[in-house]
Amino acid sequence: QLQLRESGPGLVKASETLSLTCTVSGGSISRANSYWGWIRQSPGRGLEWIGSIYSSGTTYYNPSLKSRVTISADTSKNRISLKLNSVAAADTALYYCARHVFTMIADAFDLWGQGTLVTVSS
Amino acid sequence: EIVLTQSPGTLSLSPGERATLSCRASQSVSSNYLAWYQQKPGQAPRLLIYGASSRATGIPDRFSGSGSGTDFTLTISRLEPEDFAVYYCQQYDNSRRTFGQGTKVEIK
Repeated sequence: QLQLRESGPGLVKASETLSLTCTVSGGSISRANSYWGWIRQSPGRGLEWIGSIYSSGTTYYNPSLKSRVTISADTSKNRISLKLNSVAAADTALYYCARHVFTMIADAFDLWGQGTLVTVSS
Repeated sequence: EIVLTQSPGTLSLSPGERATLSCRASQSVSSNYLAWYQQKPGQAPRLLIYGASSRATGIPDRFSGSGSGTDFTLTISRLEPEDFAVYYCQQYDNSRRTFGQGTKVEIK
C-alpha cells in the first residue's frame, strides 16, 4: 500500500531556504507515467499547489513560486524533495506531498501524506 | 489565473439531508480537470471526484459531481455523520492549478 511521509525542519528563519523530503513507501517514484506533487495549506492562502515532478524528472511549478522553488527526485532513496528559497512569514504553512494523477482525462492529487508544519521565524 | 469561488461558505444540515456545494470558476475549465476533495480536522485532503464527475477509488456513491464550463457542483445525496467536513474544488489550466477556498458542511 502506497504511503507518503513528509519530513524536515519545523522552523526556518526568514530569508533562508526551506527544505523538505517526501519518502514514498509501497511503490516506486520512478514508475512510468507517475507524478508527485507538493501542496501547502495555510489559513491565509488556503490550499496552494507548489509544483510537481514527473517520473522522467521534468518539473512543473506554480508560476507564482517558480523563481524560488526546486523539486527533485532521488530514485535510489525513493523520495521527492522540495526547496523553497528566501522564505518569509507568508511561507508558514502545512506542507503536503501527494501523488499527482495527470492524464488527458484527469488532474488530481489522489494520495496525500499527513503533512508537515513549517513555521518561518524572523 | 483561474479563481475558484465556492459557495456557500458554510452549509448547516442534518444527517440524512442532501448537500449541494457549488464551485464557480472565473473562466471556463475543462471538465476533465476539475476535482473535489474532502478534508477533516487534522487530516490531509482526500480525493472524492476527478474529471468533474468520476468518483475516486473507494468513494461511496452518495457523492456525485456534475457541471461544466464555469459551474460545477458536488452533491452528497444523504449525509452520513462522517461526511461533515470541509470540501474543496481544484482545477488545472495552462500550467496552473488552483483550489477553491472551501465549503464547510456542519451539523445543524
